Amino acid sequence: DTEVTQTPKHLVMGMTNKKSLKCEQHMGHRAMYWYKQKAKKPPELMFVYSYEKLSINESVPSRFSPECPNSSLLNLHLHALQPEDSALYLCASSQDQFPHTGELFFGEGSRLTVL
Amino acid sequence: QQPVQSPQAVILREGEDAVINCSSSKALYSVHWYRQKHGEAPVFLMILLKGGEQKGHDKISASFNEKKQQSSLYLTASQLSYSGTYFCGTEPELTGAQKLVFGQGTRLTINP
Repeated sequence: DTEVTQTPKHLVMGMTNKKSLKCEQHMGHRAMYWYKQKAKKPPELMFVYSYEKLSINESVPSRFSPECPNSSLLNLHLHALQPEDSALYLCASSQDQFPHTGELFFGEGSRLTVL
Repeated sequence: QQPVQSPQAVILREGEDAVINCSSSKALYSVHWYRQKHGEAPVFLMILLKGGEQKGHDKISASFNEKKQQSSLYLTASQLSYSGTYFCGTEPELTGAQKLVFGQGTRLTINP
């Protein structure tokens, strides 16, 4: 199984809602990532978990809260988002955190629209 | 710091060759190449490590000039399936927080 599975694929939420994005991988990877991608832009790193511990937070606003319940799961909790947070949220995993010689496996992404 | 890709966009006919460049102002440990088709996840193509080694598979290859901190992706005899946006990602040498930063992307369109 070489897949990273993300749910939901699409999410529409109001600025006062609380929702979560979920990501799952069963490749035994020890590093998992959240990226944010706006249209026609590259993926931007948000968070990195290594061995289930948060190792990088790219100064992401606190309305985004990551969680890694176990080595296969990664969540992104969303609360009080702004319309400019609308984007494609990509989850990825790799054997180990950088530096590494392996590839990043990306999920299909969760497309978020904030009204 | 974000690597710089050039060109920003390329339009080719099937069978033509393309070169996409990626440069960084920082000393690099590695360069990654990914392709993303519209509405899909980025897909890994290859990694080049410090040492200037050229890699390739099928008709897609890449080089890494360590002295210039530049990498080039070569697509020969392009196929329709090569269409998409190509991103290089760079990892800095072993100092500070290790993370992959993507360039702004090169949109490649292959026409029949």
